[in-house]
Amino acid sequence: AQRVTQPEKLLSVFKGAPVELKCNYSYSGSPELFWYVQYSRQRLQLLLRHISRESIKGFTADLNKGETSFHLKKPFAQEEDSAMYYCALRPTGTASKLTFGTGTRLQVTL
Amino acid sequence: NAGVTQTPKFRILKIGQSMTLQCTQDMNHNYMYWYRQDPGMGLKLIYYSVGAGITDKGEVPNGYNVSRSTTEDFPLRLELAAPSQTSVYFCASSPGQGFTGEGYTFGSGTRLTVV
Repeated sequence: AQRVTQPEKLLSVFKGAPVELKCNYSYSGSPELFWYVQYSRQRLQLLLRHISRESIKGFTADLNKGETSFHLKKPFAQEEDSAMYYCALRPTGTASKLTFGTGTRLQVTL
Repeated sequence: NAGVTQTPKFRILKIGQSMTLQCTQDMNHNYMYWYRQDPGMGLKLIYYSVGAGITDKGEVPNGYNVSRSTTEDFPLRLELAAPSQTSVYFCASSPGQGFTGEGYTFGSGTRLTVV
């Protein structure tokens, strides 16, 4: 069975500081990894998926199979980045249900 | 294109009452899911469906029932509401098998309080 761990419940950074939201996973096969974001009182929305290797709103995430990690990074935090971030996993090549981490709340302060 | 629509947005129930949370998607997605979101606990899967007429239990199915009579609709039924069911409920959909890399599309959620 797969498992996703987000060790930080809350991450508080100053505006302009770098951000790294940690995500570690355990899964014996090849996973697909995703980051979802939930802004205050809004629905969860897909932010990134590792298969696309894209940068969205300045965020990037690299799948590190050796360390079983998929950390979310941004070089300079903005106030509008304040939100709840969830890492999620599913086995590659399947339409299996996603397994979510418990989420990290990012607070960006002036 | 509305995506995933959930109703109601808010509801207060008394202990022992029943209700149905509605979820409709207009993207012709095969797969649909119900999650509950509790503070500090992340998202827990209640039930999911891989197509009309097919449903299966998730991680926390007790106290809930679902049906999937059409591709578009996936209602969640609460029987005999209990305070432990106070939560925010999210419905989601995804294209399904053969669509590698596609994530979920979520509804806006239903905030349910049981008193």
